[in-house]
Amino acid sequence: SYVLTQPPSVSVAPGQTARITCGGNNTGIESVHWYQQKPGQAPVLVVYDDNDRPSGIPDRVSGSNSGNTATLTISRVEAGDEADYYCQVWNGGSDHPVFGGGTKLAVL
Amino acid sequence: EVQLVQSGAEVKKPGESLKISCKGSGYSFASFWIAWVRQMPGKGLEWMGIIHPGDSETRYSPSFQGQVTISADKSIRTAYLQWTSLKASDTAMYYCARRIVEASTNNYYYYMDVWGKGTTVTVSS
Repeated sequence: SYVLTQPPSVSVAPGQTARITCGGNNTGIESVHWYQQKPGQAPVLVVYDDNDRPSGIPDRVSGSNSGNTATLTISRVEAGDEADYYCQVWNGGSDHPVFGGGTKLAVL
Repeated sequence: EVQLVQSGAEVKKPGESLKISCKGSGYSFASFWIAWVRQMPGKGLEWMGIIHPGDSETRYSPSFQGQVTISADKSIRTAYLQWTSLKASDTAMYYCARRIVEASTNNYYYYMDVWGKGTTVTVSS
């Protein structure tokens, strides 16, 4: 079955750029989506179809996807970006989604 | 505003039954699949299954097939997740979420655009 691999944690100083990766076999040909989950809250969709943002998500948040790795990039990181981030793939050929294991973003 | 409102926290004993709910508003409830996702304490997201409220077509993750039942009542815009005999290992947060389908160049893809706030289920003797 398809597996998505994320680093358990990423640390970044305020104002810097955070990059969270999501590795999988040929993710570049899949549509990858990203969810942010702050402590004690439900997940929130922050990027869909590799690099589209739902309304209300700031343009500091962006995505890319090529080869075997999708990346969520958060520029000018703020304390409020501290959260767990999950990547997800679900295409028409599958009955179910695949989630990455999640990455905890720590803002130092 | 599209919303999914979930029922409140539950505390149950092993062997008891339970049905939790997810009520949709602000959109055509019968037209969008609803997914259920489990999150065990300190762990990641696990997809349990999905239902189309319009015709109640249901699909389950193999990990949850036979362990839970997903249902829906479109007349009251509500989806359900139920257990007949809870175990301590069912202790978790359960989320419902609306599934969106979009077309890509040569395929379809799906994601969950709106999530409920979650229902905490605690099973303890």
